[in-house]
Amino acid sequence: GAGVSQSPRYKVAKRGQDVALRCDPISGHVSLFWYQQALGQGPEFLTYFQNEAQLDKSGLPSDRFFAERPEGSVSTLKIQRTQQEDSAVYLCASRDRPMNTEAFFGQGTRLTVV
Amino acid sequence: QKEVEQDPGPLSVPEGAIVSLNCTYSNSAFQYFMWYRQYSRKGPELLMYTYSSGNKEDGRFTAQVDKSSKYISLFIRDSQPSDSATYLCASILQGAQKLVFGQGTRLTINP
Repeated sequence: GAGVSQSPRYKVAKRGQDVALRCDPISGHVSLFWYQQALGQGPEFLTYFQNEAQLDKSGLPSDRFFAERPEGSVSTLKIQRTQQEDSAVYLCASRDRPMNTEAFFGQGTRLTVV
Repeated sequence: QKEVEQDPGPLSVPEGAIVSLNCTYSNSAFQYFMWYRQYSRKGPELLMYTYSSGNKEDGRFTAQVDKSSKYISLFIRDSQPSDSATYLCASILQGAQKLVFGQGTRLTINP
């Protein structure tokens, strides 16, 4: 039973570059979340999908951030024109159904913008 | 002010000690309370969750929620070096989806 898989594990981007981060949730999980975790901080919510529908994107910090889950399984978080303050670990989590409280997290993608 | 506040530590205790980790929260509408453990360079993993006020015990771990004082606690008995990690408290509003995390407390158990 594979868990939540994220790729790449590490990404170094030059300032101004676009990046795409991938999340493979646990098979069959309906709910998918993206969180941003800055160094020494707790995860901060970015966005939430139920199947392919993006129901909450209130945590996306700017219009440079975009997330999609077109077929209700794999999700991609895209950051355009990266800036140094985007450096963080981006965590993906999935739940088997919306009202279940347990979310399973991936290992995250560590993004460093230089 | 963050909705969930947690002392970042670091906290260092000897093996076998009882550890007490605490959070406070400001939104009285929070209904679900979780504790996650996060090892270095790993994602958070759920340790325990409670609904509303009360205690919950699982092995060496006990979670407590006091809604009257908006206080969340995690106790670890007979602490082990393998318990060394960052502990994150989190809350969810009734009917909501997103987790609201505290800052995390970095805990080290010394052999």
